[in-house]
Amino acid sequence: TQLLEQSPQFLSIQEGENLTVYCNSSSVFSSLQWYRQEPGEGPVLLVTVVTGGEVKKLKRLTFQFGDARKDSSLHITAAQPGDTGLYLCAGDTGFQKLVFGTGTRLLVSP
Amino acid sequence: DTEVTQTPKHLVMGMTNKKSLKCEQHMGHRAMYWYKQKAKKPPELMFVYSYEKLSINESVPSRFSPECPNSSLLNLHLHALQPEDSALYLCASSTEDQGSYEQYFGPGTRLTVT
Repeated sequence: TQLLEQSPQFLSIQEGENLTVYCNSSSVFSSLQWYRQEPGEGPVLLVTVVTGGEVKKLKRLTFQFGDARKDSSLHITAAQPGDTGLYLCAGDTGFQKLVFGTGTRLLVSP
Repeated sequence: DTEVTQTPKHLVMGMTNKKSLKCEQHMGHRAMYWYKQKAKKPPELMFVYSYEKLSINESVPSRFSPECPNSSLLNLHLHALQPEDSALYLCASSTEDQGSYEQYFGPGTRLTVT
């Protein structure tokens, strides 16, 4: 069974702080997606990383895919209240299925 | 346009009712999915349709019955549900491209079974 463990599970910070969320597995994935989900809404795709070692930047968000394609990280610089939500990583198994991570709940207070 | 729409937004039903959830996408995606999500948990895959054919059923109870009338529409028929089936039901769609596999989710239907 392929599992994706995210850490931390919950993070409460002040506006302007930096943070990093980790997504780890013992399995190799062909690609990995990051989603953000707000309460009562569906997950919104933020980024897809495909190549081992790949780094992608989306404004204040930086995503990295591990060299072995087993892990990933999301770094947010100068967090804002609008960044609040549930962050989910999801690994592509290559069999029409995504394996979702356990999730990280982020709360950014003004 | 990366929009997936779902109706209704909220649904309350009794255990003896029959209801249906609807999902629509116009991105030309040929794979569509149903997920169930409980509070503070990640989405759990229920069904996958590929080119309008059911390709994956994750051992979902028969009280949930999916249907894909055409490549843009996906339904989930509900009958004789249990209170523990109360959850957010999400629909998603994706391309079948290899190497970059992205799913686009709808806003979900919040289902309450009384």
